[in-house]
Amino acid sequence: GEDVEQSLFLSVREGDSSVINCTYTDSSSTYLYWYKQEPGAGLQLLTYIFSNMDMKQDQRLTVLLNKKDKHLSLRIADTQTGDSAIYFCAESSNQAGTALIFGKGTTLSVSS
Amino acid sequence: GAVVSQHPSRVICKSGTSVKIECRSLDFQATTMFWYRQFPKKSLMLMATSNEGSKATYEQGVEKDKFLINHASLTLSTLTVTSAHPEDSSFYICSARLGLHGTEAFFGQGTRLTVV
Repeated sequence: GEDVEQSLFLSVREGDSSVINCTYTDSSSTYLYWYKQEPGAGLQLLTYIFSNMDMKQDQRLTVLLNKKDKHLSLRIADTQTGDSAIYFCAESSNQAGTALIFGKGTTLSVSS
Repeated sequence: GAVVSQHPSRVICKSGTSVKIECRSLDFQATTMFWYRQFPKKSLMLMATSNEGSKATYEQGVEKDKFLINHASLTLSTLTVTSAHPEDSSFYICSARLGLHGTEAFFGQGTRLTVV
């Protein structure tokens, strides 16, 4: 079945870049997502990438996709303390009636 | 942008009572909505897929008689936890995908259920 794996923790210093990695198994995945969850809150959609793209950049966020290796990464440039949160990688097909499959989330801790 | 609103954000109930959680798509119609449960170690478990005008599709291991889902309109899905027990205490999150191909998936704020 489908599976999405992430490392559980990442700790960085303020101002450094953070790279959160994710691997997935479903080769039919069409969309790959990154969500941010702050304590006690719901999931905030950060960005997503279509499977025929290699890279997507949005301000401080850069998403890299290696479809051959089924590897997705999220790079946060100039990481701030406000970026401390749990980051979830998710994958899905391009059907509105299909749920996203999530990884277990990576807790990013940013120290000043 | 598209918003999914969930209510209530927090609820405390006694064992044996039922609790209803609402999930609304505020500026778009959602034929399908999804209900997730988030466990303490963060993982999000898909509980069921809510389909407007028809029965929900439950994931394996999820009791449909315990977690009643109703999707009576294109903007509202409800999850009712019936005869709640302390082990039902959790964070429940709903989601809806925008558009025909569901490119963007949005989530509600979540509901923290505590059963005492």
